[in-house]
Amino acid sequence: DQQVKQNSPSLSVQEGRISILNCDYTNSMFDYFLWYKKYPAEGPTFLISISSIKDKNEDGRFTVFLNKSAKHLSLHIVPSQPGDSAVYFCAAPLYTGNQFYFGTGTSLTVIP
Amino acid sequence: DTAVSQTPKYLVTQMGNDKSIKCEQNLGHDTMYWYKQDSKKFLKIMFSYNNKELIINETVPNRFSPKSPDKAHLNLHINSLELGDSAVYFCASSQGRQSAVQYFGPGTRLTVT
Repeated sequence: DQQVKQNSPSLSVQEGRISILNCDYTNSMFDYFLWYKKYPAEGPTFLISISSIKDKNEDGRFTVFLNKSAKHLSLHIVPSQPGDSAVYFCAAPLYTGNQFYFGTGTSLTVIP
Repeated sequence: DTAVSQTPKYLVTQMGNDKSIKCEQNLGHDTMYWYKQDSKKFLKIMFSYNNKELIINETVPNRFSPKSPDKAHLNLHINSLELGDSAVYFCASSQGRQSAVQYFGPGTRLTVT
């Protein structure tokens, strides 16, 4: 029951360039989306979120875009830094069923 | 000062044993969760616990039981461990069940042999 999908398991980007991480979802009931960042041997930490009433949310170097018609969201990191190297998960809650769906993650490597 | 802590970090045990994982949060949150991350890296919610109300994901076997002695703690007890229980277990907390932003512990890697 994979309602949130991240089809790219890994991504490598040069320092200073843009990183684009993608996420697709299948459930049209989702109305809020989050991105979490995870370093090895640590738990996920919240990065940025977006409500379905918006199509863009920006926080410093991080911007999340939401395309509801395509059921697609993306996280842009500009400029990418070596410290951004981590696994990024997109996630969506479904409160009615007490569900919180995570994608399988994309491992980002920023090359100095 | 760790916000959400879990002990132990690693747990190796044999099939059939009973084990517990402890979780504590010092954020003053009123809702706590347990997640399982399997070998395919899927993070799946197992339980949420809020003001003594427990919501269980229907796919979780009843060998798993959360115990909350107080608002700051949600421990996970697992009976009759099976090989398929091997995974990383994450505890998390949030302020309110409707809050989507959860704070995660560092995880406990359980290996059942």
